Amino acid sequence: DVKVTQSSRYLVKRTGEKVFLECVQDMDHENMFWYRQDPGLGLRLIYFSYDVKMKEKGDIPEGYSVSREKKERFSLILESASTNQTSMYLCASSLLLGQGVFGPGTRLTVL
Amino acid sequence: KQEVTQIPAALSVPEGENLVLNCSFTDSAIYNLQWFRQDPGKGLTSLLLIQSSQREQTSGRLNASLDKSSGRSTLYIAASQPGDSATYLCAAPFEGNTGKLIFGQGTTLQVKP
Repeated sequence: DVKVTQSSRYLVKRTGEKVFLECVQDMDHENMFWYRQDPGLGLRLIYFSYDVKMKEKGDIPEGYSVSREKKERFSLILESASTNQTSMYLCASSLLLGQGVFGPGTRLTVL
Repeated sequence: KQEVTQIPAALSVPEGENLVLNCSFTDSAIYNLQWFRQDPGKGLTSLLLIQSSQREQTSGRLNASLDKSSGRSTLYIAASQPGDSATYLCAAPFEGNTGKLIFGQGTTLQVKP
């Protein structure tokens, strides 16, 4: 069964910490994405990658960075976590113009 | 810039009813449109993908249609069941052919036994 996995379902961090969210897909997809989902704001694209070592900013990249050293893995990095980054983070992958496959999400709380 | 709107935001129906969820988009030059389901606190599950050359896709009790000229897609759920209760989201490509998606706000469906 093809899938996208995320390293943690729930994560609690303190303000100022550096946070790594990991995402792995086993479908050999070119595209990988990071979204955050907040009540009333819906899903917003943070970053996406269309190839290894390639990345593009989405709607809300401020405060985040990403890394894609291998095709199957896409990491989201919060350089210095802040309380306004408390959110549900969703990773997804797809073939070019293909069906998006989402991971289970990581609920991050920054205290 | 593509904008995606879903109406209504919430819907409550009795079990067994057929229902239609609506999705509208502003840029008709889309490559495809997708429908997803999200259960509370969970990730998104892809339901249907309609390519721009297609008018509809079916999976079980679900049927999604796409009318590019009017900028609309509908998700039809036949004989609704309590297990269909979830939030349904539609998504269209953000721009060009990159595969980036922009999502509607979703319709939260409650099917009452």
